[in-house]
Order: sequence, then C-alpha cells, then structure tokens
Amino acid sequence: SYELTQPPSVSVALGQTARITCWGNNIGSKSVQWYQQRPGQAPVQVIYKDSNRPSGIPERFSGSNSGNTATLTISRAQAGDETDYYCQVWDSSSVVFGGGTKLTVL
Amino acid sequence: EVQLVESGGGLVQPGGSLRLSCVASGFTFTRYWMTWVRQVPGKGLEWVANIKQDGYERYYVDSVKGRFTISRDNAKNSLYLHMSNLRGDDTAVYYCARMPPAAVAVWGQGTTVTVSS
Repeated sequence: SYELTQPPSVSVALGQTARITCWGNNIGSKSVQWYQQRPGQAPVQVIYKDSNRPSGIPERFSGSNSGNTATLTISRAQAGDETDYYCQVWDSSSVVFGGGTKLTVL
Repeated sequence: EVQLVESGGGLVQPGGSLRLSCVASGFTFTRYWMTWVRQVPGKGLEWVANIKQDGYERYYVDSVKGRFTISRDNAKNSLYLHMSNLRGDDTAVYYCARMPPAAVAVWGQGTTVTVSS
C-alpha cells in the first residue's frame, strides 16, 4: 500500500518561512492536499491539488509537488500557525494520510 | 453553506454495534465520493472507508473490513457507517468528509465513539 512520510516536528522562527515535507514514491504524479488541524477541531484544508488555496486561506500558505516530495510552505509564520499539518493523496480508491507534522513557532 | 453534520457516536461495549450518520447540505451530494476518517485522540488521521456516488463501489481500510459497512442514501443527502463487533482500538473521533482528489474538501465536526466496558 502507498505510504506518505512526514517529519514529526518542524520548528520555525516567528516571521520566517516554514517548510513541511511529505515524501511518497513518485508523489509528483499524484494530487496532494494539505490539512491544518488545531486541537479539538476538525481538519481544515489549506492546499488542494498540490498548490491551490481554498477560499479564505491566506496567501502565506503555498504548496509544491515534484518527484518524490510535496512541500507545504508557510511564509511569515505566525504564532497562530503553530499546530498539526497533514498531507493526503488518493491511491487507487483509498485515501492516504501522512503521519502529521507538528509545527512549532519559536 | 456547505456543511456536513455527523451524529450517532457514543459509548458502546466491546463487541457491540453503532451506526453513524452524516447529513450533507449546501452542495450536490450525488456528485461526490464520500469518506469516513477517524482519529484516535492524540494520534493522526486514519482513512476508514469510501463510497462512490452511486453507492456501488465501497472501499475499506483492512482493520475494519468485515466489521464496518459504509452506505449512503442520496435521496436524503446522507452518509452512514454501520460498525459492528467493535473493539477498543476503534475508539476515536469519526469524521464524515467530502474529499475529491483535486478540489476543495469539506469535513464535518466529528462524532466521538468510545468502546469500553
């Protein structure tokens, strides 16, 4: 079965750029979604189809996908960005999630 | 407003059964595959099951095959998850979701299932 690997944690200084990676075999051939999840809340999609932002998501959030790695980039990181992030793809007719990355804003 | 609202969670004994429901509004339900995702407290997201628009194709994570059944009633804009022979490791928050491969997703607020004696 297809697997997605994320780093368990990423740290970024306030106002700097955070990059969260998602590794999967030839993930560049798939459409990648990214979700932000705050404690006790449902996930919120921040990126779909590799690099598209849903309505209401700040331009600070961007995505890229090529080869074996997809990346969520958060520019000008804010304290409110400190939470969990998950990547996700479809593989055949199943949904695959990465293990999640906790972003810490220092 | 595009919305998914789950219900049906609760406390159930090991070996018991429970049916979760999810009502969709604000979008054309029949256009989308629908999905159940669960999350053990403090852990990551786990896909549980998918169902195609017409209900004739259904897919499950291995750990629930033979115990869970996903279904839908397009006339009622509703998605269901019937869970039987429940185990302690089924304890989780269960989310109903519209998760198209390359478009905007919608998630419900989640419903909590606790399997314990």
